[in-house]
Amino acid sequence: DAGVIQSPRHEVTEMGQEVTLRCKPISGHDYLFWYRQTMMRGLELLIYFNNNVPIDDSGMPEDRFSAKMPNASFSTLKIQPSEPRDSAVYFCASSLGKAIAGNQPQHFGDGTRLSIL
Amino acid sequence: TQLLEQSPQFLSIQEGENLTVYCNSSSVFSSLQWYRQEPGEGPVLLVTVVTGGEVKKLKRLTFQFGDARKDSSLHITAAQTGDTGLYLCAGGDYGQNFVFGPGTRLSVLP
Repeated sequence: DAGVIQSPRHEVTEMGQEVTLRCKPISGHDYLFWYRQTMMRGLELLIYFNNNVPIDDSGMPEDRFSAKMPNASFSTLKIQPSEPRDSAVYFCASSLGKAIAGNQPQHFGDGTRLSIL
Repeated sequence: TQLLEQSPQFLSIQEGENLTVYCNSSSVFSSLQWYRQEPGEGPVLLVTVVTGGEVKKLKRLTFQFGDARKDSSLHITAAQTGDTGLYLCAGGDYGQNFVFGPGTRLSVLP
């Protein structure tokens, strides 16, 4: 079975540019999560969706960040304009059922390594 | 806000040694999960514990959930180089919140 697929794997761009990260969750999963990972802050939950509806976006750092899930098989995380401090590895994860309560595993993609110069 | 602390932050040992890493919180969790993350990849679930005092074994790995459901430990027997990675604990509460700890970075040297 295909796992969570993220693209691109690496992105290097100059500050001020728009960045779009993409995620295809595992088919049939009803929860989708976006995380950011840095050495300083660890793995931070940015936003999660249930059945394509955003449930909690309290982890989104600023209005420069936005996420959408137009259908069950696709989600995007957009940063506009990007800044050097946004450099991190961004992960998408999906799960079946109430993973947010820890009872179901979250399946992670391999991440997008983002570098803003 | 729930917080999970993990210790040690870094651990470097020789192949064949035993080790224990810890995950602690002042909050009670309904369940707790352990993940391992290898370089260039996302975290992969190792185990979920849901009952206070529960012990689960996965080959050379032994996981324990504290009686009060506030802490957990992971013990590795006879570590191998393939055990190298970042070990993350993650806890879920009854109120739909879910949080990851900062992780323990384990390096097993040949």
